[in-house]
Amino acid sequence: GAGVSQSPSNKVTEKGKDVELRCDPISGHTALYWYRQRLGQGLEFLIYFQGNSAPDKSGLPSDRFSAERTGESVSTLTIQRTQQEDSAVYLCASSGSTGGTEAFFGQGTRLTVV
Amino acid sequence: GENVEQHPSTLSVQEGDSAVIKCTYSDSASNYFPWYKQELGKGPQLIIDIRSNVGEKKDQRIAVTLNKTAKHFSLHITETQPEDSAVYFCAAPSRGGGNKLTFGTGTQLKVEL
Repeated sequence: GAGVSQSPSNKVTEKGKDVELRCDPISGHTALYWYRQRLGQGLEFLIYFQGNSAPDKSGLPSDRFSAERTGESVSTLTIQRTQQEDSAVYLCASSGSTGGTEAFFGQGTRLTVV
Repeated sequence: GENVEQHPSTLSVQEGDSAVIKCTYSDSASNYFPWYKQELGKGPQLIIDIRSNVGEKKDQRIAVTLNKTAKHFSLHITETQPEDSAVYFCAAPSRGGGNKLTFGTGTQLKVEL
């Protein structure tokens, strides 16, 4: 595709429910990243994929958070039993490879837990 | 892992003035330093980047300088315009963990008329 696409753009969910956020990276990009951005804050690293494997999951805040990537393409970030503190914008980025090529971001999914 | 510090957190300039944002990094092996601009309600967009084999790169009103010895790099915006108002993030890759990008905490730039 022309750019990184994320869906949904907005999601409101009730506390305790599970949510799935989707990222379609730029075609052919091998690296994919998930970041979280709370209101007015910086970019908090969550997880990084190289191909379909995740060599770095160190940013996932708890075991309620998980992510997978299939076909070296689409990635899904799942948050189980959502809490109000999960409310944030979740950003996905992809790049051709790691450590030096440009990373491009999607528009993000704004998650609100009520 | 990489530690990136960014200053200032907020910056207000008059239209036409220059703006400078500075970042330091900790991993001496880092070799790529991008800058992103994030407008309200949008994802960050890459505006300029520099690799470790050069000390300066310029693109119209935007320039980035790199000092590898001191491990810092800076974004320079000249002749600022209201549309430059946004949050700017620097980043650097970590050698470990697949070279993921570690971001600075961001600078809110406001260009006043």
